[in-house]
Amino acid sequence: DIVMTQSPDSLAVSLGERATIICKSSQSVLHTSGNKNYLAWFQQKPGQPPKLLIYWASTRESGVPDRFSGSGSGTDFTLTISSLQAEDVAAYYCQQYYNSPFTFGPGTKVDIK
Amino acid sequence: EVRLLESGGGLVQPGGSLRLSCAVSGFTFSSDAMTWVRQAPGEGLEWVSVISGSGTSTYYADSVKGRFTISRDTSKNTLYLQMNNLRAEDTAVYYCAKNKESDVWSYIDCWGQGTLVTVSS
Repeated sequence: DIVMTQSPDSLAVSLGERATIICKSSQSVLHTSGNKNYLAWFQQKPGQPPKLLIYWASTRESGVPDRFSGSGSGTDFTLTISSLQAEDVAAYYCQQYYNSPFTFGPGTKVDIK
Repeated sequence: EVRLLESGGGLVQPGGSLRLSCAVSGFTFSSDAMTWVRQAPGEGLEWVSVISGSGTSTYYADSVKGRFTISRDTSKNTLYLQMNNLRAEDTAVYYCAKNKESDVWSYIDCWGQGTLVTVSS
């Protein structure tokens, strides 16, 4: 099974500042034939279901603000919120869809400092 | 607009069974794989199972393999999760989710609101 890890477990960032979340997979999720990383990022606000932010590691879902960006390849990935807004307080999860079981990372909670 | 509406959750005793349903609308049901994800109280997301758009391919987490069965009924636009031999550790909110493509190696692009399953005596 592919094990997903995230760091940090939680972080507090001032409004307007950058937040960076790291996600690592225990094996590569890069499909070489299509040169795509099978990695997605989700945002979950309290009391709500998750919401897709990023897929293929760096493609922003339609309607997602451009302050959210994803990067990385192979086993190391990053979700960046360039300028944190109050509405970004949430838990963030990465997930690999390269191999079953399609595992999630443990999550990172983002709050306002 | 894509809509996913879960039902069937509730309180069940250990060893009991429950069938979750997810009624979908707003897209061609047979075109997309479907996934179940659960979240224990205060915990993170746990992937449970996926079924391809055709229904011919299914995969399960080790924690539920042999106890849970995923299925879909295209005529009813409904996804199911049959859960048998339930354990206390199966207590969670269960989310139905739609994948972007028909094959299981695709990302989730839409989630339902979830249904709570509580396993307790």
